[in-house]
Amino acid sequence: DGGITQSPKYLFRKEGQNVTLSCEQNLNHDAMYWYRQDPGQGLRLIYYSQIVNDFQKGDIAEGYSVSREKKESFPLTVTSAQKNPTAFYLCASSTSGGGYTFGSGTRLTVV
Amino acid sequence: AQSVTQLDSQVPVFEEAPVELRCNYSSSVSVYLFWYVQYPNQGLQLLLKYLSGSTLVESINGFEAEFNKSQTSFHLRKPSVHISDTAEYFCAVSATDSWGKLQFGAGTQVVVTP
Repeated sequence: DGGITQSPKYLFRKEGQNVTLSCEQNLNHDAMYWYRQDPGQGLRLIYYSQIVNDFQKGDIAEGYSVSREKKESFPLTVTSAQKNPTAFYLCASSTSGGGYTFGSGTRLTVV
Repeated sequence: AQSVTQLDSQVPVFEEAPVELRCNYSSSVSVYLFWYVQYPNQGLQLLLKYLSGSTLVESINGFEAEFNKSQTSFHLRKPSVHISDTAEYFCAVSATDSWGKLQFGAGTQVVVTP
């Protein structure tokens, strides 16, 4: 079945450490997105990519980086510059006008 | 730019009672509208969407939403809820000319009790 796979489901990060969250889709969607979810704040867009080798900053890109070397993959790196990284991270993909398909999320905790 | 306001952060409701979740949006251009549902520790699932045509859209599990352009609203309703409808619901909007980029509301937590 087609879908989006996010891994790992849970991730723990030490202070000053970079971590990378994986997102893979087999839906043949052109566009992919990363959102951060905090309680009571809904979803906020971090980065998005509409084609391979191209991506744009969303509303809260500071402290994050992405790459889009393959259509199927859109990994997110949470760098040490992100001062409050504890959150639930959601990856999504879409086709034009069709709404999103979401992954099951990665919960990142700073320890 | 678009913005979405979900007017209720939490809605308690008894099983088999009706529920309405309110969503208002602002946009200077034409929009697409969506409702998503999220169960605990999971991603979001598309519940229904309005792209064009009939302003009343329905989902397969009994939810419906009506696009009201004059009131810039897209309220979600269900005439009779089940315990399994307990979840968080998100309204989202995208401009028709900014392909794919969704703006989400803050969410409404629905808690169904027997």
